[in-house]
Amino acid sequence: GAVVSQHPSRVICKSGTSVKIECRSLDFQATTMFWYRQFPKKSLMLMATSNEGSKATYEQGVEKDKFLINHASLTLSTLTVTSAHPEDSSFYICSARARDSRYEQYFGPGTRLTVT
Amino acid sequence: AQSVSQHNHHVILSEAASLELGCNYSYGGTVNLFWYVQYPGQHLQLLLKYFSGDPLVKGIKGFEAEFIKSKFSFNLRKPSVQWSDTAEYFCAVNANQAGTALIFGKGTTLSVSS
Repeated sequence: GAVVSQHPSRVICKSGTSVKIECRSLDFQATTMFWYRQFPKKSLMLMATSNEGSKATYEQGVEKDKFLINHASLTLSTLTVTSAHPEDSSFYICSARARDSRYEQYFGPGTRLTVT
Repeated sequence: AQSVSQHNHHVILSEAASLELGCNYSYGGTVNLFWYVQYPGQHLQLLLKYFSGDPLVKGIKGFEAEFIKSKFSFNLRKPSVQWSDTAEYFCAVNANQAGTALIFGKGTTLSVSS
């Protein structure tokens, strides 16, 4: 149980285009989803927290107009990187917290974004 | 706000050696503590977690960790490492409040030679 999927697993896009990454909880309802960014050999940096049906809360330094997060249902959250630039190339990981779990987060496999 | 420190950036061991990875956190309230492992090219996997109760917790693959509240520490241990333990290890913390996210340490790279 508690499986989180991400799609796509890898994406290459041209500079200036937008890319959407999906995060789904497959066998549970996720009241809260989190988006992290991981640079090579670096830790996971929390980007934002989103609760189903409400606006995401962004961490300091994360541009909300650039990284659009939507959490429209209890099983789906999306991250859209708008007007992507090479410096946005990174590994994006989502995690989800179940309705009946206050503390544990289940992580997706991540999406490797490369902006050329 | 919480913060997590992992003091060992890169640890190199031979097989069968004992392992201890340090983790300290900074937060004034009650916390939940986690250790995750990320094998090369793979996603994060939960090794073990502490919410409350016995401060010595056992996880998968023979790992254990001890929560020492007075030291704000949650060190990871394994008596005898294997080559397959080569991976990145992350300590993570969240406040014992609904809706708070996990905050990660910078990670420790463990390299085990056979």
